[in-house]
Amino acid sequence: DAKTTQPPSMDCAEGRAANLPCNHSTISGNEYVYWYRQIHSQGPQYIIHGLKNNETNEMASLIITEDRKSSTLILPHATLRDTAVYYCIVSSTHPGTASKLTFGTGTRLQVTL
Amino acid sequence: DGGITQSPKYLFRKEGQNVTLSCEQNLNHDAMYWYRQDPGQGLRLIYYSQIVNDFQKGDIAEGYSVSREKKESFPLTVTSAQKNPTAFYLCASSASGGAYEQYFGPGTRLTVT
Repeated sequence: DAKTTQPPSMDCAEGRAANLPCNHSTISGNEYVYWYRQIHSQGPQYIIHGLKNNETNEMASLIITEDRKSSTLILPHATLRDTAVYYCIVSSTHPGTASKLTFGTGTRLQVTL
Repeated sequence: DGGITQSPKYLFRKEGQNVTLSCEQNLNHDAMYWYRQDPGQGLRLIYYSQIVNDFQKGDIAEGYSVSREKKESFPLTVTSAQKNPTAFYLCASSASGGAYEQYFGPGTRLTVT
């Protein structure tokens, strides 16, 4: 699976949009981009994933560049409860198999008043 | 409530003892996973199982063993052969055969002294 590069930390003011970047320049055609977050001492929480089109759900939006070498997770109105470590993961899937995820060290997002 | 349960939340053992961590899911997922997390690090895959009575080694399987006798259960045994067993252990499950998200349990923090 391709590796990802994320900034180690970011700050965001409450109520503003948080834009978390991720580089995955070696991504291959059948690999998806996943985003998870982990609040301190809890299990990771799935946020969103996509292949090539932009995706939106109730939590966030995922913008993937046309060449698929980078993506941005957008939390449109960050709150204090969004303070967490955010992981960008690239993973392929195959019929009948489990999806293995490789976690890096992620981006620590601090939302402040 | 559907989800993944791990017990206990905290576990203390003496060096040289084997210990088994419990993971149960009622999501009817075929695939289950065990990860280990060390302080300040991302998650690393220990073992995963795509279906009952089948499991595969992940990236750091040495010193660990698993079984998958029932669809809903995937216990992990940390053996005395594991050199640095103190860590946060996370179990997850997912549907298989496509780009499905993983659902994580709350984790078990194991301390071996």
